[in-house]
Amino acid sequence: KAGVTQTPRYLIKTRGQQVTLSCSPISGHRSVSWYQQTPGQGLQFLFEYFSETQRNKGNFPGRFSGRQFSNSRSEMNVSTLELGDSALYLCASSLFGRVQGNYGYTFGSGTRLTVV
Amino acid sequence: AQTVTQSQPEMSVQEAETVTLSCTYDTSENNYYLFWYKQPPSRQMILVIRQEAYKQQNATENRFSVNFQKAAKSFSLKISDSQLGDTAMYFCAFMDAGNMLTFGGGTRLMVKP
Repeated sequence: KAGVTQTPRYLIKTRGQQVTLSCSPISGHRSVSWYQQTPGQGLQFLFEYFSETQRNKGNFPGRFSGRQFSNSRSEMNVSTLELGDSALYLCASSLFGRVQGNYGYTFGSGTRLTVV
Repeated sequence: AQTVTQSQPEMSVQEAETVTLSCTYDTSENNYYLFWYKQPPSRQMILVIRQEAYKQQNATENRFSVNFQKAAKSFSLKISDSQLGDTAMYFCAFMDAGNMLTFGGGTRLMVKP
């Protein structure tokens, strides 16, 4: 069973550009969540999508957006990149979008974004 | 808002020894879940163990066990018979009904041969 796949693994962008990151959840999982990890702020929740609808959103500016497709794959977009957006972006998928029974959240290996 | 605190930024332990990582949290919720995740250099967050707040019995997964003190809002992780492969960052995390994980700042664990 394939895990959560995030592409690309590494990305270098210039300040002011925009970027799109992709996450393919485990087959059958309907919920996808995104987290930002930085040395200074640690791990912070960005948003969660379930069946193509955004259910939860963290405290990030509107430059951060996402979407989920009918096959549950998700993309997140960051526009007008700033140096502070340099981070590891992690995606996690789950069957129902909550902890239920033995179902939990499985993380991908992340996309390392560097803004120069 | 929930907060999770890991007071030990770094720890080290000799191979085969036992180590305990601390975690405290703050919440007004009564129903929630607590987790310990491991993040090796490969960057993937790997679930180590989880605890449902309504369960009084402490969770155990092989060499990993927790000491869950709900009244004290404490959730420590004990690793027995430490192995070199246990070297990683360990994150304590909290989840309530909102399905959002709130992470602590992490503890870097080094297992020495």
